[in-house]
Formats: sequence, structure tokens, C-alpha cells
Amino acid sequence: GQNIDQPTEMTATEGAIVQINCTYQTSGFNGLFWYQQHAGEAPTFLSYNVLDGLEEKGRFSSFLSRSKGYSYLLLKELQMKDSASYLCAVRYTNAGKSTFGDGTTLTVKP
Amino acid sequence: GAVVSQHPSRVICKSGTSVKIECRSLDFQATTMFWYRQFPKQSLMLMATSNEGSKATYEQGVEKDKFLINHASLTLSTLTVTSAHPEDSSFYICSATRTGQGGYTFGSGTRLTVV
Repeated sequence: GQNIDQPTEMTATEGAIVQINCTYQTSGFNGLFWYQQHAGEAPTFLSYNVLDGLEEKGRFSSFLSRSKGYSYLLLKELQMKDSASYLCAVRYTNAGKSTFGDGTTLTVKP
Repeated sequence: GAVVSQHPSRVICKSGTSVKIECRSLDFQATTMFWYRQFPKQSLMLMATSNEGSKATYEQGVEKDKFLINHASLTLSTLTVTSAHPEDSSFYICSATRTGQGGYTFGSGTRLTVV
């Protein structure tokens, strides 16, 4: 299978910056997604990377290195509401099917 | 844009009965929808890919006769859990993508409890 690895848990302070890493198997790669999921709710789409580099969207940025099989999600100016699970998902075929990592539970403390 | 509606949001059913979950794309046509299952504190697990007008593609280990998927139109896919058992209790989520969106829009999810 296509292993997608991301840390299980992270803790950060309100107002700070946090980086959540994701590594994946590169064979057949066709796009990487980041989603945010609050407890008991469905995921919401944050970002999509298919080319190398940094995509910035407000307080959230996502980076991709295809050769290294590596991505990170950067959250700036953390707010309490950013406490959630962050899912890294990789699309491996043109059919659009994605494989999800186990998610990183981020806790933002005052 | 790109809104996906999922209904019901919560359902409790008796063991042995069947439950139907609907997933609708409200403002776009979705030729492909995906059905996921998520157990507590675990990640999403893709169950099947639903294609409009054709049979769904099921992931390995997912029983197609138990989880019936019908994608009758470009805006509606349904998942029916047949002869439900307590171990089928889970959070079921659908998602869809529109051409050029680059991402997936998820429905709000259905929490199924089988008693």
C-alpha cells in the first residue's frame, strides 16, 4: 500500500506557528491534500498541491516536494479554534481516489 | 459553491434492519462520489467509489452485498447498509469533486448506531 506518515499528536501555543509534516510513497503520485477535521464533524478541505513549492492561503500554507515524498502544513498565528485533527491525503491515480493518513491531532493551548 | 449535502446526520436502527444514507451535490454535477467510514479516533477509510450510471468500485475487504451503493444521477449517490449489525456502527461520510476544483467536498457525515 501507499504508507502516509504524519505525527499522531502535536501541541502548540496560541499565537505561535506550527508545522505538521507528512511523508508518502512517491510512486504514482498525483496530488496531495490537507484537510481539517474537528471532533465529530466531517473533514473540510484546506489545500491542494500537485507541483513543488509553497501554496499560501491566509494563515495556512502547504508545501510539497515530490522528489522527497514530503509535504508540510504550516499554521500561523494559531487560534484556539485551530485545535483539530489535520489529515494528509494523497491521490495516486487519475481516478481521483485518495489515501488518507491517520491524522495529526493538534491542541492549541492559551 | 461545491456544497455536498448528506442525510440523515444521525440514525439509530435495530440490528438486522437496513439504513439508507443519501449524498447530494447541490450546486454541481458529480460524476464520481466516494464513501468513507471512520471509526472513533481513526482516519477515514475509503469504502467505495461511486460512478454515475455504473457499478460502484469497492475497496478490498468491503462487502458489496452488505453496503449497496447506487449512483442514479449526477447529483445523488446512496449508500444502503443492509442487515446492520452493531459492528457497523460508525461515522459514514461521502465526498465529491467537481472538475477543476482540485479538492474534495465532504458531506456532513452520518453517525450510524446499530442497537
